[in-house]
Amino acid sequence: GAVVSQHPSRVICKSGTSVKIECRSLDFQATTMFWYRQFPKKSLMLMATSNEGSKATYEQGVEKDKFLINHASLTLSTLTVTSAHPEDSSFYICSATGGRENNEQFFGPGTRLTVL
Amino acid sequence: EDQVTQSPEALRLQEGESSSLNCSYTVSGLRGLFWYRQDPGKGPEFLFTLYSAGEEKEKERLKATLTKKESFLHITAPKPEDSATYLCAVQAISRPGNMLTFGGGTRLMVKP
Repeated sequence: GAVVSQHPSRVICKSGTSVKIECRSLDFQATTMFWYRQFPKKSLMLMATSNEGSKATYEQGVEKDKFLINHASLTLSTLTVTSAHPEDSSFYICSATGGRENNEQFFGPGTRLTVL
Repeated sequence: EDQVTQSPEALRLQEGESSSLNCSYTVSGLRGLFWYRQDPGKGPEFLFTLYSAGEEKEKERLKATLTKKESFLHITAPKPEDSATYLCAVQAISRPGNMLTFGGGTRLMVKP
């Protein structure tokens, strides 16, 4: 149980385009979902926290208009990178809580974004 | 401010050579300390949660322990398949929801 999926696993896009990444909790209802960014050989940096039906809470330094987060249901959150630039290239990982062990975060497999 | 420091940053072991990874933390009220394993290009995989000083948990060759200031992940007789990055994270009572603060990770390489 407590499986989280992400789609797509890899995406390559041109500079200036927008990219949407989906995060789904497959076998539990996720009261909270988190979005992280990870640079090569670095740890996870929390970008934002989202609760179903309410606006996301962004960490300091993360541009709200750049990284749009929507948590439309208890099983789906989306991250849209708007007007992507090469510096947005990174590994994006989501996680979710709300399963049997309510305080544990279960992580998705990540999405590798490359902006040309 | 919550802080998590992991050491060493990288660790090379021979197969069968036991060792320990350290996670030092400063948090205003610990709700839980988490250990994850992360393979390259993948999301973190949950290993353990520890809640109070003195607690220990084991899984195969791994054993996690917790004190009021640090946690250790002991690896007994490691195998090459144990090679990965091990991440430590804390959940503070003062932070909303179930937010985690991660350490920088320890990259473990086990040579056959």
